[in-house]
Amino acid sequence: QQQVKQSPQSLIVQKGGIPIINCAYENTAFDYFPWYQQFPGKGPALLIAIRPDVSEKKEGRFTISFNKSAKQFSLHIMDSQPGDSATYFCAARGGYGGSQGNLIFGKGTKLSVKP
Amino acid sequence: DSGVTQTPKHLITATGQRVTLRCSPRSGDLSVYWYQQSLDQGLQFLIQYYNGEERAKGNILERFSAQQFPDLHSELNLSSLELGDSALYFCASSADASTISYEQYFGPGTRLTVT
Repeated sequence: QQQVKQSPQSLIVQKGGIPIINCAYENTAFDYFPWYQQFPGKGPALLIAIRPDVSEKKEGRFTISFNKSAKQFSLHIMDSQPGDSATYFCAARGGYGGSQGNLIFGKGTKLSVKP
Repeated sequence: DSGVTQTPKHLITATGQRVTLRCSPRSGDLSVYWYQQSLDQGLQFLIQYYNGEERAKGNILERFSAQQFPDLHSELNLSSLELGDSALYFCASSADASTISYEQYFGPGTRLTVT
């Protein structure tokens, strides 16, 4: 119940394409769902986040779609660029008990955007 | 730059040794989280401190311990090191452990290599 399942493991798209990364969870107590972008040798950087009372959130070229009934959420990157090539992690916040603040991460998706 | 600093950047040590990793949170943030990132386990939550007190524990080994000091910086102590402890260790901070602010900002990490 504490898992966040992320797919695909890797993704290759052409410049201008719209990569979509999907995540699924089981625990309905999760109350916050961020996406992080990580470049090699760097720490994860907060990209965009959503709470379960919202079905979609856009920030620049990044959009989160959230389906509460299906317990799924996804990241869309519009007009992808080679500079977007990185590993993307979805996460969920504990939201209950002693682990209220910590994040539970998916396994990551390595995105490669070809010029 | 997230505003979270971690030292050292790299650490190479031998099995059986003890090391200390240091983290300074963003100015004003009260919560500090420690995460371990390895190829096989991904990003795993270790422990959380809020304003000097332990708030939550995750998959932290008994050989590992942490503390948060009055100036809010935190240290992660790893002892009796094993080869399997080789990983990236990240510190993250957030403003508050309550429901007000959920965003966690990660530092650049410390790469630990145990030989």
